[in-house]
Amino acid sequence: DVVLTQSPATLSVTPGERISLSCRASESVDTYLHWYQQKPNESPRLLIKYASQSISGIPSRFSGSGSGTDFTLSINGVELEDLSIYYCQQGNSLPYTFGAGTKLELK
Amino acid sequence: QVTLKESGPGILQPSQTLSLTCTFSGFSLSTYGMGVGWIRQPSGKGLEWLANIWWDDDKYYNPSLKNRLTISKDTSNNQAFLKITNVDTADTATYYCARTVATSENDYWGQGVMVTVSS
Repeated sequence: DVVLTQSPATLSVTPGERISLSCRASESVDTYLHWYQQKPNESPRLLIKYASQSISGIPSRFSGSGSGTDFTLSINGVELEDLSIYYCQQGNSLPYTFGAGTKLELK
Repeated sequence: QVTLKESGPGILQPSQTLSLTCTFSGFSLSTYGMGVGWIRQPSGKGLEWLANIWWDDDKYYNPSLKNRLTISKDTSNNQAFLKITNVDTADTATYYCARTVATSENDYWGQGVMVTVSS
């Protein structure tokens, strides 16, 4: 199985700052890497697909990059509503797997 | 507008079979490239992919659950189903269904249904 390692586990942020979250795969997943946001007591929401493709309705401050084994989700100007857990997921090989998540908290 | 909603028994006893239903609207599972996946999340923990079913009736399963999973669909009634046999307390979780498009991204999710396995 492809293991996705997300770092950091928790990130303390100040509104307005630019941040980057990392997702590293144990083997290449090409660009079959998706990012989700999950707010407390809500279902996950797709933020970025295929490493860097934007999703309709998602604010433009969210962007993704990477290919192969190293991926980054960036938030350009964090807002309070972004305080959530972020998961990466690979769809290159079965079984599909998720990272353990990165939790954004207020500094 | 795409919506999905899960339904299930709420609580069941160890060794029983868990039956889940995903009722959806706004898309058809007979359309090329469409799929429905099941993902679960124990309270306070991460996401685990369980299974996917596709427009052509192809099925993918997570081998970590060995042969306990069965996924199926009723295209005419816009429903997908998941059965998990021989449940135990480790199967206690919120179960989500989600639309899967093209290959692997889950672009719409249901609200989730909580399932508790307890004697």
